[in-house]
Amino acid sequence: EVQLVESGGGLVQPGGSLRLSCVASGLTFRNYWMSWVRQAPGKGLEWVANINRDGTENHYIDSVRGRFTISRDNANNSLYLQTDSLRAEDTAVYYCAVPPWEGYIDVWGKGTTVIVSS
Amino acid sequence: DVVMTQSPLSLPVTLGQPASISCRSTHSLVYSNGNTYLVWFQQRPGQSPRRLISKVSNRDSGVPDRFSGSGSVTDFTLQISRVEAEDVGVYYCMQVTHWPYTFGQGTKLEIK
Repeated sequence: EVQLVESGGGLVQPGGSLRLSCVASGLTFRNYWMSWVRQAPGKGLEWVANINRDGTENHYIDSVRGRFTISRDNANNSLYLQTDSLRAEDTAVYYCAVPPWEGYIDVWGKGTTVIVSS
Repeated sequence: DVVMTQSPLSLPVTLGQPASISCRSTHSLVYSNGNTYLVWFQQRPGQSPRRLISKVSNRDSGVPDRFSGSGSVTDFTLQISRVEAEDVGVYYCMQVTHWPYTFGQGTKLEIK
């Protein structure tokens, strides 16, 4: 069974940091670009960042560029999102996902919740 | 950024009746290779999103054939031929032609 399992969420004060992790199983992780997607409480979906297969290329939305860093460890089938300088508007469920591209499987984790509040 | 606009945002439907969701983009979604990268997702209550359709009309494996996608360039539609109880949830269109990838606001389908 293909599975993505996120962890690392929690309650953090504004300006704080969290490192989100995602462990993949059941797929050849190194063959896929990977992504982080978030969903604020009661709101829609926002595609946050992509990383290429070997971790040498990444893309971010403007609102997180310079504060968030996506990375991966193919030896351990793991994806990460380092989130720094967190703001209240970063409060969301963060999903690990495979980009919905042609030929790519559809797989999402269950998400990890980040709450930024004092 | 490409703005995706869905309508309606709320869709009450009687069981067994058809449903249709419109999605419009502010920019052409035709990529340089001629393909159009418009995707439809379903998010059931309390669940992660699930891809239904990619490249406008390609249904994912396991997706019932009552779901179909159509459209071109900037104007797209998701149709459900006969709504079933398990179809309740929020439906999102998303473009992956241009970075940043962007979603529509979501359409909440409920049973009347």
